[in-house]
Amino acid sequence: RKEVEQDPGPFNVPEGATVAFNCTYSNSASQSFFWYRQDCRKEPKLLMSVYSSGNEDGRFTAQLNRASQYISLLIRDPKLSDSATYLCVVGPSGTYKYIFGTGTRLKVLA
Amino acid sequence: DAGITQSPRYKITETGRQVTLMCHQTWSHSYMFWYRQDLGHGLRLIYYSAAADITDKGEVPDGYVVSRSKTENFPLTLESATRSQTSVYFCASSPNGASITDTQYFGPGTRLTVL
Repeated sequence: RKEVEQDPGPFNVPEGATVAFNCTYSNSASQSFFWYRQDCRKEPKLLMSVYSSGNEDGRFTAQLNRASQYISLLIRDPKLSDSATYLCVVGPSGTYKYIFGTGTRLKVLA
Repeated sequence: DAGITQSPRYKITETGRQVTLMCHQTWSHSYMFWYRQDLGHGLRLIYYSAAADITDKGEVPDGYVVSRSKTENFPLTLESATRSQTSVYFCASSPNGASITDTQYFGPGTRLTVL
């Protein structure tokens, strides 16, 4: 089992429809959780950190479920510019060795 | 504000050659990282550094060497390149390391092909 697993997609969604991705992790001691965005042939960029209580940034909402060991990303009213690959990142406690998922590809359709 | 840069951006080399990938950041971040990204795998950590002269292995360190004599530079050397090292290499930096709010800032990547 991979340490961090994501559905590779692609998720093809029309503009304005809500879309959600999940990411599961295997290490129950993990303490840091992030979503990064990566455009084709570009570097990853932080989208948002994921807090225990859940957090929202504009149209993006991130949730953490420690009991079931997954994090989620919800995108409301997706735009064409949201088309990208979304990487789930998990950081074990007390280490800088972040584990990256392979990413979920999102394509927003006009 | 140059941020974090990598050079070269593209490199083609032959099996057995030594190759050095450069990474430079202008923020004076303490932490720096080298990752490789391959299809079917997430970014995998090769080496990281918590400060000048402090480095440690990541998940896939074999065949790679790093050094960090200055805070702003973190070169990655492939001592004897192999075809399996064909990949996209990303350097990243972070001000504080692994915290819930910490961000890793990535360079633009180096696409390395080993023939």
